[in-house]
Amino acid sequence: IQMTQSPSSVSASVGDRVTITCRASQAISTSLAWYQQKPGKGPQLLIYGALSLQSGVPSRFSGSVSGTEFTLTISGLQPEDFATYYCQQDYNFPLTFGQGTRLEIK
Amino acid sequence: EVQLVESGGGLVKPGGSLRLSCAASGFSFNSYSMQWVRQAPGQGLEWVSSIHSASTYIFYGDSVKGRFTISRDNAKNSLYLQMNSLRAEDTAVYYCARETANNLLHYCDYWGQGTLVTVSS
Repeated sequence: IQMTQSPSSVSASVGDRVTITCRASQAISTSLAWYQQKPGKGPQLLIYGALSLQSGVPSRFSGSVSGTEFTLTISGLQPEDFATYYCQQDYNFPLTFGQGTRLEIK
Repeated sequence: EVQLVESGGGLVKPGGSLRLSCAASGFSFNSYSMQWVRQAPGQGLEWVSSIHSASTYIFYGDSVKGRFTISRDNAKNSLYLQMNSLRAEDTAVYYCARETANNLLHYCDYWGQGTLVTVSS
């Protein structure tokens, strides 16, 4: 299953609302996770099951789905949110990631 | 506190072998499936391999199938990745990650800091 993530990079300001999209090459139900990664660190789980917020993750992060298109929305960007974001399908093996979206400060 | 600590990375020549280890603590290791995920320098994440809590199933990505072997020792709370016939394109940071408790799902809720493997002559 191919995961096509867009955009590859986005510039935004503190307080902005940002959306990142991932499209699956076939139906994967809601078997999608979103991760945040900061330089030199392992990824951190944000959203699982396309819609569910991982414990401890701020509520400004949210996920949605429409068919095979998945969206991560960050409402009210904070300085600590500037990082790279990845989607991953866990519908079947081999597990596959999107190419990543770098969120940069404008 | 859940902790995953990878070790065993380093510089190896093409065609060589390396064994990575991941020491787990802070949870019941024998109840969770585990994964290895890698990241080439400046690139995205690539899933490498998964192993069930009781080693009932094992899966590999196509790029490592036949060369890498995942295993675990539940008595030692440890996960391993034996890497043989290494290639330059295997150069990456290798992360150990814990899968969610739900055996029907395969996202990872905890990740280590990674260990760097460099394949170069």
